[in-house]
Amino acid sequence: SQTIHQWPATLVQPVGSPLSLECTVEGTSNPNLYWYRQAAGRGLQLLFYSVGIGQISSEVPQNLSASRPQDRQFILSSKKLLLSDSGFYLCAWRRLRGANVLTFGAGSRLTVL
Amino acid sequence: DAKTTQPNSMESNEEEPVHLPCNHSTISGTDYIHWYRQLPSQGPEYVIHGLTSNVNNRMASLAIAEDRKSSTLILHRATLRDAAVYYCILKPYGGSQGNLIFGKGTKLSVKP
Repeated sequence: SQTIHQWPATLVQPVGSPLSLECTVEGTSNPNLYWYRQAAGRGLQLLFYSVGIGQISSEVPQNLSASRPQDRQFILSSKKLLLSDSGFYLCAWRRLRGANVLTFGAGSRLTVL
Repeated sequence: DAKTTQPNSMESNEEEPVHLPCNHSTISGTDYIHWYRQLPSQGPEYVIHGLTSNVNNRMASLAIAEDRKSSTLILHRATLRDAAVYYCILKPYGGSQGNLIFGKGTKLSVKP
């Protein structure tokens, strides 16, 4: 069966520090991968998606970047965090073809101080 | 993408059925209706989806209006674990890299 892992689960970082959140998927190949962010009390905002290794599409301009160095690995990064980067970051995957059923990870809660 | 409208919040009593409405008057013929739910401090989880016919699975039922301009997610017996935010989302089958756009959803509270 397929599983998705995200880490770290929680993170407190000072403004201006770098960020790296990692997501890996097991039990499937060539998945579509997604990063969403949920600010406190708000809906989910799609940040990045990837349909293959090295292929990244950005949905909104921001202080963050994403990379997909391996088929089942998706990394969210920042060189210098802003206060506004605080939030709940969620990785998700779905099969390349078929119904749009997303499976989400448990999330990474980032607090920037 | 077509827009959905849901109530901000609803309340239910434990062990009673819950009907969560969703309006999508601008739905197109190729849009599937998806429902996800998000428990507190967790990622969203898939609940159910359908196109025209009513659908049932182990979690819930989805009733789709004949004109497809509205749908209802039915939880047959609410439990305390069903307290969550429920999202109704439209998306064409397989299209546009499957980018599901989540709105604010309906926050369901379940009273014991």
